[in-house]
Parts: sequence; C-alpha cells; structure tokens
Amino acid sequence: DVKVTQSSRYLVKRTGEKVFLECVQDMDHENMFWYRQDPGLGLRLIYFSYDVKMKEKGDIPEGYSVSREKKERFSLILESASTNQTSMYLCASSLETGWGQETQYFGPGTRLLVL
Amino acid sequence: AQTVTQSQPEMSVQEAETVTLSCTYDTSESNYYLFWYKQPPSRQMILVIRQEAYKQQNATENRFSVNFQKAAKSFSLKISDSQLGDTAMYFCALTQGGSEKLVFGKGTKLTVNP
Repeated sequence: DVKVTQSSRYLVKRTGEKVFLECVQDMDHENMFWYRQDPGLGLRLIYFSYDVKMKEKGDIPEGYSVSREKKERFSLILESASTNQTSMYLCASSLETGWGQETQYFGPGTRLLVL
Repeated sequence: AQTVTQSQPEMSVQEAETVTLSCTYDTSESNYYLFWYKQPPSRQMILVIRQEAYKQQNATENRFSVNFQKAAKSFSLKISDSQLGDTAMYFCALTQGGSEKLVFGKGTKLTVNP
C-alpha cells in the first residue's frame, strides 16, 4: 500500500513564525503536491514537484515556498506565517506517466492554526 | 482555464438508497481524465472512480458508477445501496492530458442516515 505521511496532524503557530510542513511518501513516486483545503473552496494547489529539486507553482503559491531535496520528501514552507494561512494542508503523491491518469495518494493532512 | 463545479454543497440519503452527486466541468482539452475522490471524516482522501474522456463507456466500481456526458461536460457519481461508511466529502476533479495536476471542485458533503 502507498503511504503518504505528514509530520504533524495539528500545528499552532504565531504570526510571523517560519513554518515547515513535511511530507514523505514511500512508493518512489515522481510527483508530489501540496494543497490547501478550506471549507467552501475545495482543494487548491499550492505547489507541485515532478522531480527532485524541480517545482512548479500552483494556483495559490503566494506566501509559500517548497523544497524537494530527496525524491521521497516534499516540504512546504511558510516564510512568515499569517492568520489567513490558517487552513488544512494536504500532501499527495503520484506516479508520472505523462498521461494525467494516475491516482493521487493523499496524506492525512495538517491542520494549521496561525494566531 | 479548467474549472470544476459541484452545485450541491450538501446532500443526504437513507441507508440502502441510491444517490447521485453532480459535477460539471469546463476544459478546452480533447484528452483529459475525470475523477471522484472521497474524504471520510478525519480520514485520508482516496480515489473512488476514474473516467478517461476518450472512453464512451461509463466507469463502474462496485456500488459506484458515473454518468459521463462529454458534450454536456457533465460527470455525475451514482452511489447505489448507500452505506453508513459512504458518509464523506466527495470531490470531483479534472486533469489535462499529459499533466498530473488536478483541478478540484468545492466538494459535496454526503451524509448517509441509518
């Protein structure tokens, strides 16, 4: 079974803090994704990585950066956390076949509260 | 830009009955895939069913089936013999040919009542 894990289920941070969210997958997937989930807005893609050290901005990258130094690990960084970044963050991974058909496997999510 | 619209924020159904969740989408691509994902309360999101745009036959997975109307850009999910474990948020999603990125709808919260 594919396993995607996220470093924290719940996180409370203060405004202005630097926040790291970690995601690890164990299936040698090329693609990794960070989404933000908000009630009434669904899931929105923050960043996408298709290989080590390769990344692509998603729909809402402002205020976020990412790092992928190893294939299995994809980190989301909030350089200076703000209250409007309070949200549920979901990580996902998938194979890369070039056809867009692959299943995305999701982690359990990190619920971040910025005070 | 690709868009996915789920017009039913919440739905409920009695156990053992059938329910249909609606999804419409917009894309200019000729090749794409459509998905339904399920997110049970406090549990991980999982794939329910997938449909390739080129295939006319509607996908089926056990009690889950889709009604794919390509010309109308409609992709509804039918759940037969609903079970309490089907209670979840359901998200419709769209990828483009050659891209693994997903565009999600806003979700439909389905409650199955005993």
